[in-house]
Amino acid sequence: GNSVTQMEGPVTLSEEAFLTINCTYTATGYPSLFWYVQYPGEGLQLLLKATKADDKGSNKGFEATYRKETTSFHLEKGSVQVSDSAVYFCALYPSGGYQKVTFGIGTKLQVIP
Amino acid sequence: DADVTQTPRNRITKTGKRIMLECSQTKGHDRMYWYRQDPGLGLRLIYYSFDVKDINKGEISDGYSVSRQAQAKFSLSLESAIPNQTALYFCATSGPGTMNTEAFFGQGTRLTVV
Repeated sequence: GNSVTQMEGPVTLSEEAFLTINCTYTATGYPSLFWYVQYPGEGLQLLLKATKADDKGSNKGFEATYRKETTSFHLEKGSVQVSDSAVYFCALYPSGGYQKVTFGIGTKLQVIP
Repeated sequence: DADVTQTPRNRITKTGKRIMLECSQTKGHDRMYWYRQDPGLGLRLIYYSFDVKDINKGEISDGYSVSRQAQAKFSLSLESAIPNQTALYFCATSGPGTMNTEAFFGQGTRLTVV
C-alpha cells in the first residue's frame, strides 16, 4: 500500500536558519504530493503541492520538489521565522480519489528568536 | 467566520458515555470527512461522505458512527466512549476531483475520555 515517511521532531531552529523537513513516499502509479501546515490551535491548511515528477511547489517562501527517482518531496525554506512554528504534514494523493490520501505523522517545527 | 466549524472545541467525557461531535461547512462542498490525530500516528480517516446519501467507512471506523444531516453538516458519534478514543478530531471538506483536491479543515475538537 501507499505510505509516507517523515520525522516527528521536534525540529528546533534559530530564526533565519535554513529548514529542511524530509518526506519520502511509497506508492504505485503517479500520485500527487502535498504539504499541509497546522499552526497551534488550528486545523491543517494547504501549504503547497506538486502533481507530477519534477514539479516544484512553492508558497510563503517554502519550496518542495517532487523527485520520482528518490521518491521524495522534501520541504525547504531559506530563512525561517518564529511565525513558521507549526506542525508540517506531508500527504500523498493517489489517483483513486481524496478519500485515499495518506498523511505522514507530522513534523513539529519550533523556531526560537 | 471559519469555512469549517467544529463544536465543541474541547470535551471531557466519562467512559461509556455517548458523545456527538458536530461539523458544519460553508464551502458548498459535497465531500466531508472525519479524522482523528494521535501523536506519532498522524491523521487517520474515520468516515467520509460524498453526499447526503453516501457514507463510507475509513480505516478506523470501529466504535464510531456518523450522520450527514445536510450537505453542510456532518456529525461524528461515539456510542460508548472509551479512553483510547482520547484524541484530537478533525472535520474536513473537499471539492470534486481527485489528484489536486485541497482539503479544508476545521480547528479540531480535543476529546478526553476518562
